[in-house]
Amino acid sequence: DAKTTQPPSMDCAEGRAANLPCNHSTISGNEYVYWYRQIHSQGPQYIIHGLKNNETNEMASLIITEDRKSSTLILPHATLRDTAVYYCIVKAGNKLVFGAGTILRVKS
Amino acid sequence: DAGVIQSPRHEVTEMGQEVTLRCKPISGHNSLFWYRQTMMRGLELLIYFNNNVPIDDSGMPEDRFSAKMPNASFSTLKIQPSEPRDSAVYFCASSFRDPRIYGYTFGSGTRLTVV
Repeated sequence: DAKTTQPPSMDCAEGRAANLPCNHSTISGNEYVYWYRQIHSQGPQYIIHGLKNNETNEMASLIITEDRKSSTLILPHATLRDTAVYYCIVKAGNKLVFGAGTILRVKS
Repeated sequence: DAGVIQSPRHEVTEMGQEVTLRCKPISGHNSLFWYRQTMMRGLELLIYFNNNVPIDDSGMPEDRFSAKMPNASFSTLKIQPSEPRDSAVYFCASSFRDPRIYGYTFGSGTRLTVV
């Protein structure tokens, strides 16, 4: 599975959009991009995933560049409850391998 | 659905004792995963099962760790004998065979402390 690079931490003002970047320059054609988050003391939570096209659900939007070497997770209106560690994972098979992720702090 | 259920939520045991962690996956899910999380090493995949069969146990740290899935609704992770360095939060997760459908669902974890 391809390696991902994420900034270690980011801050965001409450009510503003949070844009979390992820680089995956070695991604191969059959690998999906997944995003999970982990709120303190809880198990990781699935957010969204995509292959080529941009995706949107009730939680977030996922923007994947045309060359698929990077992506951005967008939380359109961040709240204090969105403070968490966000993991970007690239994989093709059934195994989910977590990196260090990005600590997102939403501040009032 | 109650989600993935793990028990116990907290376990404190003495070094050398046997510890058994339990997991009930979501009904209908046919893949099950055990993870361990520590501050130093983050989230590590220990082992996963498809249709109750262990597929990849390369993450199991050593012979002291063993995992079983006797049926589709129950799995155990056993540590015997336990050591202080096994102290961590252990998560169980389940998914459909193709997790691209809905992704993984994680339990609330078991916080293990070995003294």
